Amino acid sequence: AQSVAQPEDQVNVAEGNPLTVKCTYSVSGNPYLFWYVQYPNRGLQFLLKYITGDNLVKGSYGFEAEFNKSQTSFHLKKPSALVSDSALYFCAVRSLGTGGGNKLTFGTGTQLKVEL
Amino acid sequence: SAVISQKPSRDICQRGTSLTIQCQVDSQVTMMFWYRQQPGQSLTLIATANQGSEATYESGFVIDKFPISRPNLTFSTLTVSNMSPEDSSIYLCSILGGAGSNTGELFFGEGSRLTVL
Repeated sequence: AQSVAQPEDQVNVAEGNPLTVKCTYSVSGNPYLFWYVQYPNRGLQFLLKYITGDNLVKGSYGFEAEFNKSQTSFHLKKPSALVSDSALYFCAVRSLGTGGGNKLTFGTGTQLKVEL
Repeated sequence: SAVISQKPSRDICQRGTSLTIQCQVDSQVTMMFWYRQQPGQSLTLIATANQGSEATYESGFVIDKFPISRPNLTFSTLTVSNMSPEDSSIYLCSILGGAGSNTGELFFGEGSRLTVL
């Protein structure tokens, strides 16, 4: 079975500082990895994905994520945080190797709080 | 990306009643997915709805409790039947991007926030 772990329930960062939201995964085949953001009372918005190729992927709103196969991690990063980045962030994984097909498995989410 | 509209956006329901959530997409899609997000928790897939066939339910979810319709390639409904307070959640409709490939990301509607009293 595939799974995703987001070890931090909340991350606090000062505006202008770099941010990292951690994600590790477990799959039996090649992973397809995704990050989503959820603002209050809104649905999920897609940020970025890793399918294959360059381990560093860039996405919306200046976010990027680094795929590390040896550490089975896919941490979300941004060089300079904004107060408007404050939201709930979800990591997700899909692996065809497990027979999961189109099923996306989500982590428990990390609340990012960016303060002035 | 496609525009996904859900109705109602929120509702307060009485225990024992049923509510149907509608999901309309502005383009034709083969598969539509229904997720549940319980308060303070992650998303859990309820079922996959394909046009012209019965929905495929995930473990822990049954058709009697969550009947799904998929009458055409742009529309689906999810009914939450005989509701209890434990059904208070956000219900999210989603579709697969990337031309429906397995590498595609999911796009979500805004969600339907149900509170059961």
